[in-house]
Amino acid sequence: QITLKESGPALVRPTQTLTLTCTFSGFSFSSGRVGVGWIRQPPGKALECLAIIYWDDDLRYSPSLKSRLTITKDTSKNQVVLTMTNMDPVDTGTYYCAHALYGLGSYHFDYWGQGALVTVSS
Amino acid sequence: QSVLTQPPSVSAAPGQKVTISCSGSNVDVGNNYVSWYQKVPGTAPKLLIYDNDKRPSGIPDRFSGSKSGATATLGITGLQTGDEANYYCGTWATSLNAWVFGGGTKLTVL
Repeated sequence: QITLKESGPALVRPTQTLTLTCTFSGFSFSSGRVGVGWIRQPPGKALECLAIIYWDDDLRYSPSLKSRLTITKDTSKNQVVLTMTNMDPVDTGTYYCAHALYGLGSYHFDYWGQGALVTVSS
Repeated sequence: QSVLTQPPSVSAAPGQKVTISCSGSNVDVGNNYVSWYQKVPGTAPKLLIYDNDKRPSGIPDRFSGSKSGATATLGITGLQTGDEANYYCGTWATSLNAWVFGGGTKLTVL
């Protein structure tokens, strides 16, 4: 059974750096053709994929946020960490990590964490 | 503003059928596989359809997916009040070298 859980600060001050950790179980990067993505949803807005890290260390970032994002994995701890610099109130929202599985020809997100609400406010 | 266009809202009566479209271009929907997600406020998104038309285990066959050209479609038959949610399509956007979601469609079961 695949599970993921996000952890990190609930409140971040503007200009600070956000660090979120996704701790997972039930799968391993070493099995291949998997990844972990970070997706967020601001209040009342759509889902937005921020970053994905794949089993082969390939990284993909949202073009509009690429300069602020870093995604890394620690296979020994079964964790994926996302850092986002220079936080702004518009970054307030729920942040999800999700398991990405390769299907016929592309990935899809089949298991999701419960989400972590992050508020950016002074 | 997403590169994938979905209608903001759709509605239908219980027991009826509804379709939700996801329009893109030949560098995203047209050339990659599409997945669909159900998002109920306060809960995590749930995968409904992957690889354009496949249902994960546990997803009832009331949910279906299809794709023609640069437009993907989610169909839901036998609508239930529990289907009220926001629905999102997603795919790889080759031009952006990134995964993208549609803007979401709010389904109301009248």
